[in-house]
Amino acid sequence: GAGVSQSPRYKVAKRGQDVALRCDPISGHVSLFWYQQALGQGPEFLTYFQNEAQLDKSGLPSDRFFAERPEGSVSTLKIQRTQQEDSAVYLCASSLETPFPINEQFFGPGTRLTVL
Amino acid sequence: KQEVTQIPAALSVPEGENLVLNCSFTDSAIYNLQWFRQDPGKGLTSLLLIQSSQREQTSGRLNASLDKSSGRSTLYIAASQPGDSATYLCAVRDITGSGNTPLVFGKGTRLSVIA
Repeated sequence: GAGVSQSPRYKVAKRGQDVALRCDPISGHVSLFWYQQALGQGPEFLTYFQNEAQLDKSGLPSDRFFAERPEGSVSTLKIQRTQQEDSAVYLCASSLETPFPINEQFFGPGTRLTVL
Repeated sequence: KQEVTQIPAALSVPEGENLVLNCSFTDSAIYNLQWFRQDPGKGLTSLLLIQSSQREQTSGRLNASLDKSSGRSTLYIAASQPGDSATYLCAVRDITGSGNTPLVFGKGTRLSVIA
């Protein structure tokens, strides 16, 4: 079956522009995570959804970052007034998430954002 | 706060060698530990997932071990091949009351296997 997909794969933005990154999780997966991966670093957690509910947004670096999943399926990560430090790969992951055992997360290919 | 460290940061070996990648984590209260592979410009491919109650997992030429009490895991790659060249990431999932937590990643080990 289809895996997690993300679009666009690459995005170049001028500093100050707003961007929107899309994630299509695996069908039926309840949980959805966003991660940010800077060059040479491991991914770092941004935010987590269970269905349409955003249960944890503690990793969002500033109020310029906003995520939504209105129908509990597709999710969008929006970055307003982009800055150069926002340049990174943004990874989306989904998991089936029965209570126990904790299920593994399946990752999309990521969106590489470059802010000029 | 959980911290994950991977050693070495980079490794270059000739084809055919067996090798070990190391991962350590500071908080032993984890659900599981996962090893991923990341090719340049690509997403993450899950290699092995070890539940906290397990000691090791094997898949083909890969073997991952977990010593939760000491906060350590190793990924053993047998008979390395040039196609194994990639960055290998270790990640743990912490235990919290909510039961749903994100993965905490190390910075990865960049492996080059020379033909």
